Amino acid sequence: GENVEQHPSTLSVQEGDSAVIKCTYSDSASNYFPWYKQELGKGPQLIIDIRSNVGEKKDQRIAVTLNKTAKHFSLHITETQPEDSAVYFCAASYGQNFVFGPGTRLSVLP
Amino acid sequence: GAGVSQSPSNKVTEKGKDVELRCDPISGHTALYWYRQSLGQGLEFLIYFQGNSAPDKSGLPSDRFSAERTGGSVSTLTIQRTQQEDSAVYLCASSRAPRSLPGELFFGEGSRLTVL
Repeated sequence: GENVEQHPSTLSVQEGDSAVIKCTYSDSASNYFPWYKQELGKGPQLIIDIRSNVGEKKDQRIAVTLNKTAKHFSLHITETQPEDSAVYFCAASYGQNFVFGPGTRLSVLP
Repeated sequence: GAGVSQSPSNKVTEKGKDVELRCDPISGHTALYWYRQSLGQGLEFLIYFQGNSAPDKSGLPSDRFSAERTGGSVSTLTIQRTQQEDSAVYLCASSRAPRSLPGELFFGEGSRLTVL
């Protein structure tokens, strides 16, 4: 079955710096890769996604890149702000389902 | 509201008791998922419903776990004879995406289950 690894597990950056979170997946049939942000006590919320026919997608300060050959995808957050502090999960589609990475706790220090 | 609604938000029970967790998906969403999130951990898939198709139960950890979805809308996750290791946040998500094209999941805020 699909396996998704995510690194780092924790990440601390200074406000204004960039943050990068990386994920790898195992099933070459996966074709949809979303990223979710989870704030304390809340459910995860989609922040950006990418499909396998695209190599990069950007939405303001957030971007995702996908390397299908290497089976890895990354989340890039630029000009980080304190409100970016949260747990971030990557995921890969697996048939009709999704397999999630274990999460990255991002702390943006003022 | 227009979001996914879960109840109860918190449930404390004694080992061996049965519990029911409820999920009201977004109206019109045909897909419904249940995930389990243990403290500080990722999301563990439990079960997936899509329209009138047979559910994908491959993630249910034991036969103590079951779920129903009535009328293609509300879903109930039932845990029988609860054990301490069942303590976790149970998250429900719904999606309008069709079977052939996975898309955004909309999550509820979860039901936190504590088994004493």
